[in-house]
Order: sequence, then C-alpha cells, then structure tokens
Amino acid sequence: AQSVTQPDIHITVSEGASLELRCNYSYGATPYLFWYVQSPGQGLQLLLKYFSGDTLVQGIKGFEAEFKRSQSSFNLRKPSVHWSDAAEYFCAVGVSGSARQLTFGSGTQLTVLP
Amino acid sequence: SQTIHQWPATLVQPVGSPLSLECTVEGTSNPNLYWYRQAAGRGLQLLFYSVGIGQISSEVPQNLSASRPQDRQFILSSKKLLLSDSGFYLCAWCRDRVFDEQFFGPGTRLTVL
Repeated sequence: AQSVTQPDIHITVSEGASLELRCNYSYGATPYLFWYVQSPGQGLQLLLKYFSGDTLVQGIKGFEAEFKRSQSSFNLRKPSVHWSDAAEYFCAVGVSGSARQLTFGSGTQLTVLP
Repeated sequence: SQTIHQWPATLVQPVGSPLSLECTVEGTSNPNLYWYRQAAGRGLQLLFYSVGIGQISSEVPQNLSASRPQDRQFILSSKKLLLSDSGFYLCAWCRDRVFDEQFFGPGTRLTVL
C-alpha cells in the first residue's frame, strides 16, 4: 500500500524568505503526486501535480516541486514567501485504477512572519 | 465549469443523534466521488468513495455510511453520532476514466457534543 510522509508538522519562515516543504512517498510503481493547500476552514486547492515527464513542475502562486525518484521525494519550493502563503500544505500520492484514490500526508502548517 | 457544493457548512449535533451531510457536483457527469474526514491537526482520512450510482466502497469501518442516489449527489450519514465523529468533512470529485486531480468542496464542520 502507498504512504506519504511529511516530516515537518510546522514550519515558520519570514516573509520574503525561501521555502521548502518536504514530502516522501512509498509506492511500488511510478506515482502520481500532488500538492494541495488548505486555508483555515476551507477546502483544498491544488497547487501542482506530477504525472510524468519533466521532474520539475510549476504550479500556481509561484510554487514548484521536484520529483526525485531515487529519493522517493516530491518537495515543494517557493523562492520568496508571501504572508498570504500561510496555510496548511498537503502532499498526496495517487493510485491508478478505477477508484483513483489519493493518500495524503499529515500536512505541514506554514506560518509566515512579517 | 464544474462546481462542488457541501451542505451544511457547520453543524452541531448531540451524541446519539442522526447525521446527513450532502455533497453535489455540477457541470460534469459520472464523476468519482469521495468523502474525507479531517480531525483537528491531522491529515485527511478517506472514508468512502463511489465510482457510480449505488456503488459505495468503504475505507474505514465505523458508524458512518454513504449513499449515492443520483449521479452527482453523495450523502454521508449516521444513525447515531459519537463524540469521535467530530471533525471537518470534505467531499471531492474527479473525472471518470482519466487520472487527474481531485476537486474539493468547501467542507462541513461537524461538532458532536
């Protein structure tokens, strides 16, 4: 069965600083990988996704992520964080098949200091 | 364009009372539908998914049930709520036959007292 680990429960950065959120997955085949963001009391919004091809994917709001098969990682990055980026971030791995289920990590809460 | 609705947005219920949460999707047909629960400070737990009308798969044994009476309607129910049922319930859909992202609804905050 697939699994996702987000080792950082909470990260604090200053506005304008760079950001990297870690995600490690376990899956026997080539994974479908996603990063979602959730503001308090809201649903989840997709930031970016990786299915195949270029291992560096660009997303919305200036985010990017790099798929590294050798490290089973899909880390999310942003070169300069804005105060509005404060939210919870979830990494997810998708399973092919009729149900197309997603398995989510436990999330990383991002705090941005002024 | 597609939209997903959840109703109600907030709910406070006593222990032992019944539950019915509704999710509807507009602008697509034959979607896969999903119910997740998010407990405070934790990730998303998949509860149920459905690939078609009347087809429900349960991921976690519990006192909740799900039904899909129409193509774009997904209902989460309980006959008797437990304190541990409190949480944030999210409905999601994705397109049939292609692997793509799941689109999430705004969620329902359930508090069981």
